[in-house]
Amino acid sequence: GAGVSQSPRYKVTKRGQDVALRCDPISGHVSLYWYRQALGQGPEFLTYFNYEAQQDKSGLPNDRFSAERPEGSISTLTIQRTEQRDSAMYRCASSRQGDSPLHFGNGTRLTVT
Amino acid sequence: LAKTTQPISMDSYEGQEVNITCSHNNIATNDYITWYQQFPSQGPRFIIQGYKTKVTNEVASLFIPADRKSSTLSLPRVSLSDTAVYYCLVGDRLESSYKLIFGSGTRLLVRP
Repeated sequence: GAGVSQSPRYKVTKRGQDVALRCDPISGHVSLYWYRQALGQGPEFLTYFNYEAQQDKSGLPNDRFSAERPEGSISTLTIQRTEQRDSAMYRCASSRQGDSPLHFGNGTRLTVT
Repeated sequence: LAKTTQPISMDSYEGQEVNITCSHNNIATNDYITWYQQFPSQGPRFIIQGYKTKVTNEVASLFIPADRKSSTLSLPRVSLSDTAVYYCLVGDRLESSYKLIFGSGTRLLVRP
């Protein structure tokens, strides 16, 4: 597609359930980033990939969070045993390479009840 | 780790030029400086990127002094639709990593 696509746009889940958030980057983009954004705050770095390799996951809050990009294209961010504090907008971005500008998707709004 | 400091908020009026300055005292030699704009309910959008001196595109100019410890985003003749949050980023290299860290940004309010 023309831009970064994220699905679902909205996700409501009950505490304790697992969720998987999907990101389809711009075709040919090497780097893929995941951010989390709380209302009124800047995006918080979670993790990023170059091709299929996860380069940095230091921003993942705890071991309930994981991400993969097995074929170097689509990426999934998984949150296990969700908690209310996980509620936020999750944003994916891709870029041609590390120094190139980021292109963001519209995000997935996660609400944990 | 490179970090940036920006004013929390700025007010302006339609038709004025707005200059937002960002400090990045620990910028690394190979780092670029990039500015993003974010409207409510949307993801950040790239505005401009530079390494040194001056860069201009159709929406903004970016001024970077020789020491690169700061940069200034200049928006000419702002309109109401320029009301948004503006983020300054520098590449945050650590060995093979290239984290791009967003700060809190500058909330620009353009008044009629």
